[in-house]
Formats: sequence, structure tokens, C-alpha cells
Amino acid sequence: DIQMTQSPSSLSASVGDRVTITCRASQGISNYLAWYQQKPGKVPKLLIYAASTLQSGVPSRFSGSGSGTDFTLTISSLQPEDVATYYCQKYNSAPPRLTFGGGTKVEIK
Amino acid sequence: QITLKESGPTLVKPTQTLTLTCTFSGFSLSTSGVGVGWIRQPPGKALEWLALIYWDDDKRYSPSLKSRLTITKDTSKNQVVLTMTNMDPVDTATYYCAHQGRITGTTDYWGQGTLVTVSS
Repeated sequence: DIQMTQSPSSLSASVGDRVTITCRASQGISNYLAWYQQKPGKVPKLLIYAASTLQSGVPSRFSGSGSGTDFTLTISSLQPEDVATYYCQKYNSAPPRLTFGGGTKVEIK
Repeated sequence: QITLKESGPTLVKPTQTLTLTCTFSGFSLSTSGVGVGWIRQPPGKALEWLALIYWDDDKRYSPSLKSRLTITKDTSKNQVVLTMTNMDPVDTATYYCAHQGRITGTTDYWGQGTLVTVSS
């Protein structure tokens, strides 16, 4: 089964900083990779799918890249409203059908 | 617009079977490429995918929970039902149902979630 590993598990950065979160798949998944944002007490929200396609309405400071086994989510200029836990998810057809990473908690320094 | 809502018991006893219903609107589960899935999140922990059913009745399950899960759909009622047998306190979590999109290919709309507590 394919495992998804995120790093770091948490980070603290200042407003305006560039933030990068990585996600590694244990096997190649092409670009079948999504990123979600979950604010405290809220429902997860889809940010990016197909590794780099921004979901409608998501601010352009969010971007995704990667293919195969290594992926990144970048916030170009961290804002206070970006405080959340971010999850990657693989969704290619190889079992298990959907798998989430362990999450990265982003806080403001 | 697409909406989903979970319903079911908030408290179940150990060894009991949990039955959750997802009632949705704004899309049809007979549309090619569309699916509805279930995802859970124990308090303070990460998201865990459970099961997924597609428009053509193709069903997929988490390998670690497959023996305990059953997912079904009623297209005429716009509902998807998840049953999980032999509940244990470690199954205490918020359970979400979610739309699997034809364009995004993945989970793009989520229900509000329902907290299920397993306790005697």
C-alpha cells in the first residue's frame, strides 16, 4: 500500500514569510496529489489538485508542485488567516484509493 | 450548489454496529465519474479515508478497515450509507462524507461532519 509522509509535522513562521511543506509518496503517483487546509474546528478545504492546479477561489499565494513521489505546497507570503493544518492526499487508482498524509500544523511566530 | 450532510447516532456502545447516512444535493450519483466517500478524524488527529462508492457502484475500502465496512448508495434518495461493525473506543471520531469530483478527481466538497463517540 502507498504511504504518504509529510514534513515537517509543524512549523512556526512570521507573517510575510515563504512557507514550504513537503509530501512524499512511498511509490510513484504521477500527479494524483491534492492539498487540503483545515482551520481549527472547521471542515477541510481543497486547495490544490493534480499536484499544481489551484481550486477555484483559493488565493494565488498558494501553489503546488511535484510529480512522481515528491511534492511541495508553498505559501508565498504567509498571512494570519493561513493558520491551519495542511494535509496532502494521494488519489490515484493504486490501493488504497485515497490516502492522507499525517498533516502539517502551521502557526504564526 | 453541492451540499452533503451526515446523520446517525452520536453515541454507540463497544461491539455495536454504526450506521451513518450521507444525504446530498446539487449533484447526481448516477453521473459518470462522480463518487461519495467517507473520511474520519479522531479528536486532535489526522484525516483517515474509510470508503468510497462511485456512480457505477464500484466500491473501494481502506485496507485496514475493509472487513468492518460496507458502503451502499440509493441514487433515488440522494443518499449514501456507511456501516461499520464491531465499534471500539478507538473509533471515536468526527465522520465526514464527501463528494468525489469528476473534474478534480478527488474529494472536493465535504459535509459538516458528525462526531461519533464509542463508549459504554
